[in-house]
Amino acid sequence: GENVEQHPSTLSVQEGDSAVIKCTYSDSASNYFPWYKQELGKGPQLIIDIRSNVGEKKDQRIAVTLNKTAKHFSLHITETQPEDSAVYFCAASSSRMDSSYKLIFGSGTRLLVRP
Amino acid sequence: EAGVTQFPSHSVIEKGQTVTLRCDPISGHDNLYWYRRVMGKEIKFLLHFVKESKQDESGMPNNRFLAERTGGTYSTLKVQPAELEDSGVYFCASSRQVLDEQFFGPGTRLTVL
Repeated sequence: GENVEQHPSTLSVQEGDSAVIKCTYSDSASNYFPWYKQELGKGPQLIIDIRSNVGEKKDQRIAVTLNKTAKHFSLHITETQPEDSAVYFCAASSSRMDSSYKLIFGSGTRLLVRP
Repeated sequence: EAGVTQFPSHSVIEKGQTVTLRCDPISGHDNLYWYRRVMGKEIKFLLHFVKESKQDESGMPNNRFLAERTGGTYSTLKVQPAELEDSGVYFCASSRQVLDEQFFGPGTRLTVL
């Protein structure tokens, strides 16, 4: 069935360093890939997304890359700050008529940015 | 614009009891989704409403779970009778169009003892 694998499960970096989280997906029909950030006591919040017609997207310190051939996508956070500490989820979705556009999530990465 | 709200924020019940979770989507959002995260694992899809109709309920674990969205506004998710494995955080999300960003609520943490 549809599956998204996410690595690493935990990531600790020094403030100012970069953080990279990687995901692979199984459904070749997937064409939408959002990344969510979940802070303690809150619901997941979209931070960036990418659709299959582009290979890279950047928004200030956050960037996402997509390799459709290899079925993997990555989140890159540069110049990390303590407030970046949270759990990050990748997800994939398909716009096929029978898919309901549901999001298939990875298992999450707990990012800790050390001051 | 108010975000997605969920009630209650926490619920602790005993095995065999009934619990009803409520979700109020963002006004004007026809699409409403329920998801669940169990024991620190991935967030899993439960079902999708378009207005008051169930578009996809393939993620519902069994017939102890009943979701409704009367009038196409708020939605309820009832678990009856609750089992230990139902414990987790239940998230609701909404979007205006199916291909739009899904906005998540804060979740309801359900604990079944």
